[in-house]
Amino acid sequence: EVQLVESGGGLVKPGGSLRLSCTASGFTFSTYGMNWVRQAPGKGLEWVSSITSTTSYIFYADSVKGRFTTSRDNAKNSLYLQMNSLRAEDTAVYYCARHCPPGWASCPFDSWGQGTLVTVSS
Amino acid sequence: EIVMTQSPATLSVSPGERATLSCRASQSVSSNLAWYQQKPGQAPRLLIYGASTRATGIPARFSGSGSGSEFTLTISSLQSEDFAVYFCQQYNHWPPLTFGGGTKVEIK
Repeated sequence: EVQLVESGGGLVKPGGSLRLSCTASGFTFSTYGMNWVRQAPGKGLEWVSSITSTTSYIFYADSVKGRFTTSRDNAKNSLYLQMNSLRAEDTAVYYCARHCPPGWASCPFDSWGQGTLVTVSS
Repeated sequence: EIVMTQSPATLSVSPGERATLSCRASQSVSSNLAWYQQKPGQAPRLLIYGASTRATGIPARFSGSGSGSEFTLTISSLQSEDFAVYFCQQYNHWPPLTFGGGTKVEIK
């Protein structure tokens, strides 16, 4: 069974930093692209970042570019999101989601974690 | 960036009735369109991909149609567990990957 478990959320002051983790199990993590998606309270889904299986390509939404960094450690089956210079508008539940398997250029997100809440407030 | 527009924002339906949700893309996304269901306090769940293919374990009462820029999700006979928010997503032209604003299906 595919499982994705996020951790690292919490309360942080504006301008602060936080690092989120997503630990994967039940599939060959090293062969899948992965994503971060966020959802502000009562709002819709916003794609944040994608990383390919070998870290060859990493993409970011314009809203986080230059402030957030996505990385992965395939030996630890883990995905990370380093968030710096946090703003109130970054307050959201952050989900990790599995992306494309080998050989696919475009695909939906077929598995999601339960999410971790990040609150940016003074 | 491809903008995804869902309508209506809220759909009031009685149990057992049919629900029809719409999703429009600002330009063609071919058939690279997915639908997700999200219940309160839960993560989204993939329902449909490739515009019309049900994901693993999704009941046959859920069906997707359309291609290009106009898409529809139909729930043929609403069950109590189907009352939720539904999002469409295009994955044809990215980055960025973009979602619609969602349609809330509520009990009439």
